[in-house]
Amino acid sequence: QSVLAQPPSVSGTPGQRVTISCSGSSSNIGTNSVNWYQQLPGTAPQLLIYGNIHRPSGVPDRFSGSKSGTSASLAISGVQSEDEADYYCAAWDDSLNGYVFGVGTKVTVL
Amino acid sequence: EVQLVESGGGFVQPGGSLRLSCAPSGFTFRSYGMNWVRQAPGKGLEWVSYIGTGGSVTYYADSVKGRFTISRDNAKNSLFLQMNSLGAEDTAVYYCAREGHGYSTIDYWGQGTLITVSS
Repeated sequence: QSVLAQPPSVSGTPGQRVTISCSGSSSNIGTNSVNWYQQLPGTAPQLLIYGNIHRPSGVPDRFSGSKSGTSASLAISGVQSEDEADYYCAAWDDSLNGYVFGVGTKVTVL
Repeated sequence: EVQLVESGGGFVQPGGSLRLSCAPSGFTFRSYGMNWVRQAPGKGLEWVSYIGTGGSVTYYADSVKGRFTISRDNAKNSLFLQMNSLGAEDTAVYYCAREGHGYSTIDYWGQGTLITVSS
């Protein structure tokens, strides 16, 4: 089951800034770092942000992450058509002793 | 280059069993924890299980606890998931995924293998 809350969809025109929220609890986001994954259609997820704010090498700097308390956000500054994908937040949950994922947010570029 | 290649997927009848394998390459397998994550058709990601570097530490999602067993063979560079008492709710693509160092992070994913539980 998904324990982290995300909006099901967000959209924007090319060049706009879009944000995706992720809400959890004290046992997951409140205690552990948040990761974000991008899943392009028909492919496996790829790590986009780790440790709340860090980008793996190769991830464009238009992607950024933030965290405050039991919530986190992913921002895409200047969204592009190739950013159309599903985005998932995730964090380790100390109560469940496992990872919890958000339900996923579909980003549409209009 | 880190690669994770899953195998063992396919069709299985309800109540049946299946064993998934994952072949890692491009990194020192014995130094990393590993996970299995699944995705039902058209649905989101669901973490299934974690195993520590030595194999003695394991965690499971409540949905599979008592039915699935994660294991690894560091000498043979292999990760496994033994799945028993399968039901329709287990139909999904199963991903082998590496646990990163330094943060609680799944940093690399395989391409996945599809399990279909159906009569």
